[in-house]
Amino acid sequence: DAKTTQPPSMDCAEGRAANLPCNHSTISGNEYVYWYRQIHSQGPQYIIHGLKNNETNEMASLIITEDRKSSTLILPHATLRDTAVYYCIVRVADFGNEKLTFGTGTRLTIIP
Amino acid sequence: EPEVTQTPSHQVTQMGQEVILRCVPISNHLYFYWYRQILGQKVEFLVSFYNNEISEKSEIFDDQFSVERPDGSNFTLKIRSTKLEDSAMYFCASRSRQAVVYGYTFGSGTRLTVV
Repeated sequence: DAKTTQPPSMDCAEGRAANLPCNHSTISGNEYVYWYRQIHSQGPQYIIHGLKNNETNEMASLIITEDRKSSTLILPHATLRDTAVYYCIVRVADFGNEKLTFGTGTRLTIIP
Repeated sequence: EPEVTQTPSHQVTQMGQEVILRCVPISNHLYFYWYRQILGQKVEFLVSFYNNEISEKSEIFDDQFSVERPDGSNFTLKIRSTKLEDSAMYFCASRSRQAVVYGYTFGSGTRLTVV
């Protein structure tokens, strides 16, 4: 799986959009970008994933650059409950049994 | 929304004792995992399980660890003789065959404290 690089921490004002960057310059053509988050000591929570097109769901938007070497997770209107560690994970999406490998992520703090 | 359920939420045990951590994965999921997170550190993969056998295990998952799916619904992690360094949050996860669509679902974890 390709390696990802994320800033260790970020702050965002409540109500504003939180933009979390991720670099994955060695990504392969068949690798997806997944985003998970971990609120306090709870289990990681799936947010969104994408291959090359931008994606949006009820939680967030994912913007992937055309060369696929980086992506940005956007939380459009951040709330205090979005304070968490956010993990960008790149891996092959297949129907096998492969694990997720977590890095250190970005600790996002939403400021009231 | 379907959930992965883990019990107990917190377990305290004496060093050298055996513990069993329990998980009920989502009912139609086929792949099962255990991860752990030592306080302040990364979430680490322990083991994956499919079709009633271990698919992959990490270096952490030594002979003191075992997993079992005894009855088609529960998925357990046993630590035979606990050590102080086994103190951590343990997360169970499961996923369906179409992980690219649904992703992995994690439980809320069991906090294991070895004293």
